[in-house]
Amino acid sequence: GAGVSQTPSNKVTEKGKYVELRCDPISGHTALYWYRQSLGQGPEFLIYFQGTGAADDSGLPNDRFFAVRPEGSVSTLKIQRTERGDSAVYLCASSLMGQGYNSPLHFGNGTRLTVT
Amino acid sequence: SQQGEEDPQALSIQEGENATMNCSYKTSINNLQWYRQNSGRGLVHLILIRSNEREKHSGRLRVTLDTSKKSSSLLITASRAADTASYFCATDRGGGKLIFGQGTELSVKP
Repeated sequence: GAGVSQTPSNKVTEKGKYVELRCDPISGHTALYWYRQSLGQGPEFLIYFQGTGAADDSGLPNDRFFAVRPEGSVSTLKIQRTERGDSAVYLCASSLMGQGYNSPLHFGNGTRLTVT
Repeated sequence: SQQGEEDPQALSIQEGENATMNCSYKTSINNLQWYRQNSGRGLVHLILIRSNEREKHSGRLRVTLDTSKKSSSLLITASRAADTASYFCATDRGGGKLIFGQGTELSVKP
């Protein structure tokens, strides 16, 4: 079946611009996660949705970052006034029931964001 | 902040040898998971071990968990060149988010 899909796969933008990154989770998965990964590092947690609501957004680095999941399926990560330090691979993952239920994550291939 | 810390950071072995990677963490957990990542790709779930389990097997993978030492190990037996990847441990402390370590980069030479 279809896995987690992330678009675009690559995004190059200029410093100060606004970007949106999209994630289509596996159908029926209630939990959705956003992570950020820099070269040579492990994924860094950003935000976790259970259904439509953000259950934990403690990893968002500042108020330039915002994510939505209005219908409990597709999610969009939005970054305002991008900075060069935002350059990274942004990973999306979904799981059937979320953590606390011993439910593994299924990852997309990520969006590589480069801010010039 | 990262919860899990893997060691070694990098490991290079010959095909057919066993590879052992370790993970330490700081707080109590519900479960610990291992993931694999090939270059330029997303992470793939390998195995999940609950806090009340001590050992788990899946094919050529063996995972142990010692909650008293707050550590886990991943053993890959009879390694193959195709096992070359980065391996990450991740801990579920409850509350939703899964926290990843920095990873071990495994290179298996044919």
